[in-house]
Amino acid sequence: DTAVSQTPKYLVTQMGNDKSIKCEQNLGHDTMYWYKQDSKKFLKIMFSYNNKELIINETVPNRFSPKSPDKAHLNLHINSLELGDSAVYFCASSRLTSDADTQYFGPGTRLTVL
Amino acid sequence: GQNIDQPTEMTATEGAIVQINCTYQTSGFNGLFWYQQHAGEAPTFLSYNVLDGLEEKGRFSSFLSRSKGYSYLLLKELQMKDSASYLCAVRTNAGKSTFGDGTTLTVKP
Repeated sequence: DTAVSQTPKYLVTQMGNDKSIKCEQNLGHDTMYWYKQDSKKFLKIMFSYNNKELIINETVPNRFSPKSPDKAHLNLHINSLELGDSAVYFCASSRLTSDADTQYFGPGTRLTVL
Repeated sequence: GQNIDQPTEMTATEGAIVQINCTYQTSGFNGLFWYQQHAGEAPTFLSYNVLDGLEEKGRFSSFLSRSKGYSYLLLKELQMKDSASYLCAVRTNAGKSTFGDGTTLTVKP
């Protein structure tokens, strides 16, 4: 019954590694997002994506890349992890075509880079 | 770009009323959202305003003035469980939503 799910919930890895976080939504939404929430709890959009358009926040390093195998999934791949990548990453989805595209968030993935 | 300003922290007493303000500057405004986020959890939707006025939903109400670039979230009959961060988010015509840095509300007995 989970609307937006993410795996893993916790991820601890070494600097320089490549890792992926998976996200799936079963709400039939057409748009998915990735957010980064740092230690100061600031929530920043990284990507928004539907089957027509990928919108990238210009401050996101190109080491981060979203990959969408289908409409219900948007995975986040991170290359060459750095210490500053440690944060909680939230996936979200919405029905962008509706007037109120309320975003539904996944439970978050806490990434720790050592 | 978009500028969204909210107070960083607020404290209120159980049973009281608290108003959390949000001011924004954006082009192509197309809606304002309020989300609640408890520590260690994901944000959850509270309210949505696209027209001027007050939207009431139980103990929570949200107000919008588009001409002033201003919104507030009003919480009545505060409960301890209302201690959380409250995030204001603005959407543009391009479909892009930007979140404010959030207001951490502490409810004391």
